[in-house]
Amino acid sequence: DAKTTQPNSMESNEEEPVHLPCNHSTISGTDYIHWYRQLPSQGPEYVIHGLTSNVNNRMASLAIAEDRKSSTLILHRATLRDAAVYYCILRRRDSGGYQKVTFGTGTKLQVIP
Amino acid sequence: ETGVTQTPRHLVMGMTNKKSLKCEQHLGHNAMYWYKQSAKKPLELMFVYNFKEQTENNSVPSRFSPECPNSSHLFLHLHTLQPEDSALYLCASSQDQTGQFFGPGTRLTVL
Repeated sequence: DAKTTQPNSMESNEEEPVHLPCNHSTISGTDYIHWYRQLPSQGPEYVIHGLTSNVNNRMASLAIAEDRKSSTLILHRATLRDAAVYYCILRRRDSGGYQKVTFGTGTKLQVIP
Repeated sequence: ETGVTQTPRHLVMGMTNKKSLKCEQHLGHNAMYWYKQSAKKPLELMFVYNFKEQTENNSVPSRFSPECPNSSHLFLHLHTLQPEDSALYLCASSQDQTGQFFGPGTRLTVL
């Protein structure tokens, strides 16, 4: 599986935008970029995913570099409930319908009131 | 609520016990997964079931035995575990190219 690199931790002030970076320089053409987050004492939660184009949903936006070697998860207004570990993962497209994903150590986001 | 439930939420067992973890998904997904999350370590994929067939086994010791009787249910049978097997065990499901939906996990302690 292609590897991703994220900062260990980041801080943000409440109600300000947060940009969480991820590098994936060995990404292949069939790899999707997935983001998950894990709140304390909970299982991981799917946030967003994309292939080439930027994506928006109710939780966040995903900006993908033109060469796809990096991406940024954007939380438009951080709240205290967004404090979590954020994981950037590559998932290879396959015909089997299942996903083998490898989680790294993620970025621990602290939101300051 | 993610649509994936796990029971029990907490389990304490001795090394000679036999127990089972249960996962159920109410999302109509066709793939289910078992992960292990130990303290200060990344999430580790253990098993993948696709349409009830096991398609991945990431070198997991035989004291962990998965079972998938149908596409909605997944079990992890445990026997003669070691203290280092204490961890959070997470179940997830997915459908084709969508993201994985995780359950709340079972916190396992092996004495």
